[in-house]
Formats: sequence, C-alpha cells, structure tokens
Amino acid sequence: EVQLVESGGGLVQPGGSLRLSCAASGFAFSSYEMNWVRQAPGKGLEWISYISSSGSLIYYADSVKGRFAISRDNTKNSLFLDLNSLRAEDTAVYRCARDSGSGDDPIVDLWGQGTLVTVSP
Amino acid sequence: QSVLTQPPSASGTPGQRVIISCSGSSSDIGSNSVNWFQQLPGTAPKLLIHSDNQRHSGVPDRFSGSRSGTSASLAISGLQSEDEADYYCAAWDGSLHAWVFGGGTKVTVL
Repeated sequence: EVQLVESGGGLVQPGGSLRLSCAASGFAFSSYEMNWVRQAPGKGLEWISYISSSGSLIYYADSVKGRFAISRDNTKNSLFLDLNSLRAEDTAVYRCARDSGSGDDPIVDLWGQGTLVTVSP
Repeated sequence: QSVLTQPPSASGTPGQRVIISCSGSSSDIGSNSVNWFQQLPGTAPKLLIHSDNQRHSGVPDRFSGSRSGTSASLAISGLQSEDEADYYCAAWDGSLHAWVFGGGTKVTVL
C-alpha cells in the first residue's frame, strides 16, 4: 500500500526539541520530493519545509527557519524533521506530504495522517 | 494570514452548485498550477484537483477546477452531504520558494 506514516510527536516544554519521522512505503521514495506541512488546532494548513529527492535542495518557511531542520534517508525510505527551540505557536499536527509533478506543475498527491506536537510548560 | 485568499465559508442545498474562489499573486498562482485539497473532519487532506483542472484518481467528476491569471476556482456540482468538508487551494511560490495555501473554505450542505 502506498502510504506515509509519521511518528515522534508528543508533549514538549517551550525551548525543547523533538525529532519527527515519516516512513514511506509502497513507492520509490528516493524519486520524490517531500514536504512537511503543519496544522494548528482548528486552523488551516501551513507549509513549513521542502526537500528535493536527493536532499540537496532544501527550503523553509520563515516561521521555522533556523529552528527546524529537514532531512531524509533514502536507504531507509524515511523523512525527518528536527524541531528545536520550540514555542507554543508550534503546537500543531505535523504531516509529511509527497510532491509529484515537476517545474511549474508540482502536485502534492499523498499525505500522511500526521503526528501531534504540543508545546506547553 | 494566508498568502492565498479564500472565502471562509460556502454553502448550498443538495444538488446545487458551489464555487470556491482562490486569489493569489503573480509569483504563485500567476506562475504555477493550482492544487485543491479536501479535508474531512479529523482526517488528513486529500488531493482533489491538480494542474489547475485535473481530477486526481478516484475523484468524482462533480469536482472541477480552473485558473485564470492570478486566481483559481473550485466548483462542486450536484452538491452531496458527503461534500461537507474544508477545502484548500495551494500553489508553489517561485519567489518565496514555498508552497502557499489558502486559509480554507468550509463547505456546508444545508
């Protein structure tokens, strides 16, 4: 089955750190660009990071730049997001999402169910 | 505040047609194709429309999309109760090097 499964979320204190993982299965993970998108409780979708298929190209949203780090291990079909210096406003469900298409026609065609990160004292 | 602008809500009776707008700029919708996602309560978003007007695999033909200039729209024809959900538009912004999303539109079937 083609799927993405996130893990690693939990309760963390402000200023703390967490590592999220996304396990891919059922498709050639190393051929796809990937993203992390988060959704605060009751709010809309917010893109936070992109990584190319090889890992050589990375982008971040301004809201997380310098605090979060995206990476991938194509030998293990896994995507990661390291969250540092966490703030209350980082509380959200974090989902990984597959990026298909190319050039001016990118397509986010597969989403994981997400893992909840709660930042609270 | 979201980069792409959508109305917060839309509604219709069963069988009616509902249209959701999505307004952006030259660097996002004006330059790249639009994706539309449906998010049912408590679930992950699902791709409905990609490449402005292409239905994703398994999506009923009641759903259609279009893009013109820096705006896009999603139409739901023959509205059904199972269409009650949040709908999001998204596009890649080549200047920001980021996916930008609309704030979401909650569709209610009256």
